[in-house]
Amino acid sequence: TQTVSQSDAHVTVFEGDSVELRCNYSYGGSIYLSWYIQHHGHGLQFLLKYYSGNPVVQGVNGFEAEFSKSDSSFHLRKASVHWSDSAVYFCAVSGTGGYKVVFGSGTRLLVSP
Amino acid sequence: DAGVTQTPRHEVAEKGQTIILKCEPVSGHNDLFWYRQTKIQGLELLSYFRSKSLMEDGGAFKDRFKAEMLNSSFSTLKIQPTEPKDSAVYLCASSPRDYAEQFFGPGTRLTVL
Repeated sequence: TQTVSQSDAHVTVFEGDSVELRCNYSYGGSIYLSWYIQHHGHGLQFLLKYYSGNPVVQGVNGFEAEFSKSDSSFHLRKASVHWSDSAVYFCAVSGTGGYKVVFGSGTRLLVSP
Repeated sequence: DAGVTQTPRHEVAEKGQTIILKCEPVSGHNDLFWYRQTKIQGLELLSYFRSKSLMEDGGAFKDRFKAEMLNSSFSTLKIQPTEPKDSAVYLCASSPRDYAEQFFGPGTRLTVL
C-alpha cells in the first residue's frame, strides 16, 4: 500500500520569495510521483511528474520537484513565487497498476503581496 | 480540445433524495475517475473506469453510490438516497493511459440538507 504525507498544511510566503512544499511517500516498488495544483473553486491541475531518470523534474510556471529515494521524498520548489501561485498543492503517488493514485492531504500556499 | 466538463456545478438536495451528477471526459481518454473531496477526508476515489468497464467501485461507497459509463464520452454518478454526510465536492477526472496525468473537471459541490 502506498501512502503520501504532506507535513505542512499551510505555508505563507511573500511574493518573490522561494518556496518548498514537502512531500514524503511510503511504497516499496516502482513508483510514479506527481504534483497537482488546485485553485479555489476549480478542479486539480497537473504540474509535473516523475517516474524514472533525472530526479529533478521541471513543470509548468517555474515549478520543479526533486525525487529522493533515500529520503522517500518528492518536494516541490519554486524560486520566485507570484501571488497567483496561491492555491492548494497536492502530492500524489501511484505504484504498480498505474491507475490508483493516492493523494496527499494538500498544502495551502498563501503568497502575500 | 475541451477539458473535462461536469454538471451541475452546484446541487442542493434534501436528505433521502436521489441525485445524479454528470461528467464528460476529455475526448479519447480511456480512464475515468470519480472522487469525493472533503476538508477532513481529502480526496477519496469513488469509482474507476477503463474503456467503459468498471474497475473499482469504491469499497465503502458501494451501498449508496453508483457510477455508470454508458459510452466513452459520458458518465454519471448516482447517490441514492442522499445523506447530509454526502455534502462534498465531487470531482471527475480522465486520463489517456496508465501513469499519465489526470485531467480534472471543475467539480460539483453537493449540499445535502
